[in-house]
Amino acid sequence: SQQGEEDPQALSIQEGENATMNCSYKTSINNLQWYRQNSGRGLVHLILIRSNEREKHSGRLRVTLDTSKKSSSLLITASRAADTASYFCATLSPGFKTIFGAGTRLFVKA
Amino acid sequence: GAGVSQSPSNKVTEKGKDVELRCDPISGHTALYWYRQSLGQGLEFLIYFQGNSAPDKSGLPSDRFSAERTGGSVSTLTIQRTQQEDSAVYLCASSSQGKNEKLFFGSGTQLSVL
Repeated sequence: SQQGEEDPQALSIQEGENATMNCSYKTSINNLQWYRQNSGRGLVHLILIRSNEREKHSGRLRVTLDTSKKSSSLLITASRAADTASYFCATLSPGFKTIFGAGTRLFVKA
Repeated sequence: GAGVSQSPSNKVTEKGKDVELRCDPISGHTALYWYRQSLGQGLEFLIYFQGNSAPDKSGLPSDRFSAERTGGSVSTLTIQRTQQEDSAVYLCASSSQGKNEKLFFGSGTQLSVL
């Protein structure tokens, strides 16, 4: 079964607005990562947050991690049409297996 | 190579035939993963290699699926007696670190079983 589950499943916003996606997971983790996928092919790594970190920034991306709630959020600020893609959270658990959630499909309207 | 390379990029086969999918990871990457993604769905974990050994094969859907990795580099995923439900994009990823952190993905193989 999937370790991570994202919500919402789909999100449609206007260019310039912020997009927030959430991820929940079930077991203990070493780190949590967010990936982006365009056109149903290869995924691109966006950001990694370790289990002892609570917040991390990278450009227009902000990730939070709450290990007590087993949840994470990805915030994309000032969204652009080029941000349209599917976004997945992935968790690395002890045993070094990286498991992906079902993803959030983001559509940014120009 | 510069990135993870997968071949073929597309494969159409008839039900009952065997197929072999290839993944060439980034040079020096010790960890290699295979995932399967059906249309509009998330990534389903299939198998993970550390070097040539596969400590976790728990995701392989059935005994028709097998994978090997030789020389700590190229990996092949073999599906025997393909079924229509095997149709999906098969993604390979590799990672350089022992803790298998950031994964680098190939572009995938789109498998269509008619």
